[in-house]
Amino acid sequence: GAVVSQHPSRVICKSGTSVKIECRSLDFQATTMFWYRQFPKQSLMLMATSNEGSKATYEQGVEKDKFLINHASLTLSTLTVTSAHPEDSSFYICSATPDNYEQYFGPGTRLTVT
Amino acid sequence: AQSVTQPDIHITVSEGASLELRCNYSYGATPYLFWYVQSPGQGLQLLLKYFSGDTLVQGIKGFEAEFKRSQSSFNLRKPSVHWSDAAEYFCAVVPPSDYKLSFGAGTTVTVRA
Repeated sequence: GAVVSQHPSRVICKSGTSVKIECRSLDFQATTMFWYRQFPKQSLMLMATSNEGSKATYEQGVEKDKFLINHASLTLSTLTVTSAHPEDSSFYICSATPDNYEQYFGPGTRLTVT
Repeated sequence: AQSVTQPDIHITVSEGASLELRCNYSYGATPYLFWYVQSPGQGLQLLLKYFSGDTLVQGIKGFEAEFKRSQSSFNLRKPSVHWSDAAEYFCAVVPPSDYKLSFGAGTTVTVRA
């Protein structure tokens, strides 16, 4: 089956620093990758959509300068949380799709900003 | 407004009993429909999906879902739950002419011995 990995699974950083999260599709080429944020006991909120070689499309209310997305290849997308603050602490999940219909999700990254 | 609704926030069921989770959508045309399961601190696993065809869909882990156009519903069922089925369940849709997933609020399933 289609597998998506995320790295790291957990990260703790100090306020003001930047953190990079990687999302990889391991056994398929992803036409599109998605980044979601999930608060405790809530549903997933789509942050942005990225396609290889082009700029990401951000959802309304998501700061593109704070959440930098790079889609370097058909199997790799990265999310960088810049100048992180405690309110950025959350569970970040990526997904990838080979056909723009079915999304395969990564295991998530728990970010804690102290 | 276009939406996905999961009316039940939390369901508690006894091990071995049946389970049904409700999902309703509000779109002009039939979207693509999905059910995902999420264990604590984990990503999402696809249980099943409906694009077209037979309205009763079989998924993994013994789950099935039935698409009912007249009710704009896609309810998830399992005849006999196991303790390992305790998790968060999300109904999601890809609306017509779109490719982004819209998620319901989720239903937490607790299984008691």
